[in-house]
Amino acid sequence: DVKVTQSSRYLVKRTGEKVFLECVQDMDHENMFWYRQDPGLGLRLIYFSYDVKMKEKGDIPEGYSVSREKKERFSLILESASTNQTSMYLCASSWTGDQPQHFGDGTRLSIL
Amino acid sequence: QKEVEQNSGPLSVPEGAIASLNCTYSDRGSQSFFWYRQYSGKSPELIMFIYSNGDKEDGRFTAQLNKASQYVSLLIRDSQPSDSATYLCAGDSGAGSYQLTFGKGTKLSVIP
Repeated sequence: DVKVTQSSRYLVKRTGEKVFLECVQDMDHENMFWYRQDPGLGLRLIYFSYDVKMKEKGDIPEGYSVSREKKERFSLILESASTNQTSMYLCASSWTGDQPQHFGDGTRLSIL
Repeated sequence: QKEVEQNSGPLSVPEGAIASLNCTYSDRGSQSFFWYRQYSGKSPELIMFIYSNGDKEDGRFTAQLNKASQYVSLLIRDSQPSDSATYLCAGDSGAGSYQLTFGKGTKLSVIP
């Protein structure tokens, strides 16, 4: 079974802090994704990566950056956390663009 | 803008009935479609995928794809209270794309 592991289930941070969310997958998938999910807005793609050191902006990249130094690890960085970044963050991975994405358990992030 | 549309619900069905969840998509280039189940506060879990026109059955679940009508559906037979969740439909974004396009989900409630 595919295993996508996110480093924290719950996280509380302060406004202005730099926040790191980590994601690791164990299936040698090429593609990795970061989403946020808010009530009524569905899944919104923040960034994705299709190879080591490669990244592409999704629909809502503002205020975020990513890093993929190793194939199995994809990090999401909130450069200066703001209250409107309070959300559920979901990491996913897939083999190719026409294959299913497999999700981690999610990180519920609160910015105070 | 590629879109996947779902009725947000809630869809309420009595226990033991058939639940029918529907999804339409805008991109004729999409070939692969996926159904995810998401319990409240949890991450999406893949339950079905379909690539060809017609029906695909897996236990109590049947996925149906009609590419001419750009329509995907999920039938859940003998619905159980444990099927109560939000169901997300997703489709690939065409040849050469890395992403899936997700609908916002349909909330299903199975009434005992």
